[in-house]
Amino acid sequence: DAGVTQSPTHLIKTRGQQVTLRCSPKSGHDTVSWYQQALGQGPQFIFQYYEEEERQRGNFPDRFSGHQFPNYSSELNVNALLLGDSALYLCASRNLEGATYNEQFFGPGTRLTVL
Amino acid sequence: RKEVEQDPGPFNVPEGATVAFNCTYSNSASQSFFWYRQDCRKEPKLLMSVYSSGNEDGRFTAQLNRASQYISLLIRDSKLSDSATYLCVVGDSGGYQKVTFGIGTKLQVIP
Repeated sequence: DAGVTQSPTHLIKTRGQQVTLRCSPKSGHDTVSWYQQALGQGPQFIFQYYEEEERQRGNFPDRFSGHQFPNYSSELNVNALLLGDSALYLCASRNLEGATYNEQFFGPGTRLTVL
Repeated sequence: RKEVEQDPGPFNVPEGATVAFNCTYSNSASQSFFWYRQDCRKEPKLLMSVYSSGNEDGRFTAQLNRASQYISLLIRDSKLSDSATYLCVVGDSGGYQKVTFGIGTKLQVIP
């Protein structure tokens, strides 16, 4: 049973560029959330997708956008990259309709460095 | 006030010691509570959910005090392998269960 997978593992971009990160949820999971974790901080909630729609959003600017596909996989897009966007981007999935609906499983993350 | 507050530590304890972490949350309507463990440069992993009645899993015991809005994690007989950052996580009452993470408490168990 594959867990949550993310790609790429590492990414280096320059300021002003755009980036797309990808996530495949754990088998049987229908909900994907994205988090940004800066060094020395806890993960900060970006947004959550369920049934291909953004359902909740954290305090992040519109430069951060996402998408969920019919197979439940998801993308996170960040436009006009800033140095401060350098962080570990984590994807987490869960089954919103299941008995353990509030337990999330995380992928290994994508480490984004903006130069 | 932060939604979820934790002492970032580090807590340096000898092997075999008992260590306790506390976490406070600001939203009294919060519905779900968790402790996650995160090893250096790795993803967070669910350690245990926290229930109102308290729960125990081996050497780990979690407690919830709704009246005072705090959660605790007790680790008995600390092992070197327990060295990690422990993240307190609180879920809201909304249908989509948005969760908020604390900054994490770093534990270093020393020989």
